[in-house]
Amino acid sequence: DVKVTQSSRYLVKRTGEKVFLECVQDMDHENMFWYRQDPGLGLRLIYFSYDVKMKEKGDIPEGYSVSREKKERFSLILESASTNQTSMYLCASSHGTLFFGSGTQLSVL
Amino acid sequence: QQQVKQSPQSLIVQKGGISIINCAYENTAFDYFPWYQQFPGKGPALLIAIRPDVSEKKEGRFTISFNKSAKQFSLHIMDSQPGDSATYFCAARFIGFKTIFGAGTRLFVKA
Repeated sequence: DVKVTQSSRYLVKRTGEKVFLECVQDMDHENMFWYRQDPGLGLRLIYFSYDVKMKEKGDIPEGYSVSREKKERFSLILESASTNQTSMYLCASSHGTLFFGSGTQLSVL
Repeated sequence: QQQVKQSPQSLIVQKGGISIINCAYENTAFDYFPWYQQFPGKGPALLIAIRPDVSEKKEGRFTISFNKSAKQFSLHIMDSQPGDSATYFCAARFIGFKTIFGAGTRLFVKA
């Protein structure tokens, strides 16, 4: 079974903090994605990566950056967290079909 | 700009009834149309998918109907069960691998 593991299930941070969300996959997939999920808006793509050290902006990249130093690990970085970044963050890996982690519910106070 | 429009936002169906969720898309560059099912506390998981050269795909109680000319596709859940209560997302994938999601439909099946 494909396993996509997100490091934290719940996270509470303060406005202005730098936040790291970690994601690891065990299926040797080249493609990895970060989405955020908000009620009524579905899943919106923040960034994706199709290879180590490669990254592409998704539909809502503002306020975020990513890092992919190893094939199995894709990190999402909130440079200076703001309250409008309170959301559920979902990581996925893919060789065609998306496989999602269980998500990180981030609250920015 | 929402490239995949999904309706309804929420749906209540009696046990044994048919659940129908509709989606419409605009971009003809999409080459794959999956549906994902999400239970509380879990990430979405692939339920069923269709390619645009096929008009219908059935897997057990789940059927996708696809109308390429109208740029619409729908999910039908036959004999709906309380265990089907979940949030359903339609999606469309660009040639390659970038996937765009609809806003989601919360389905509740009454026992």
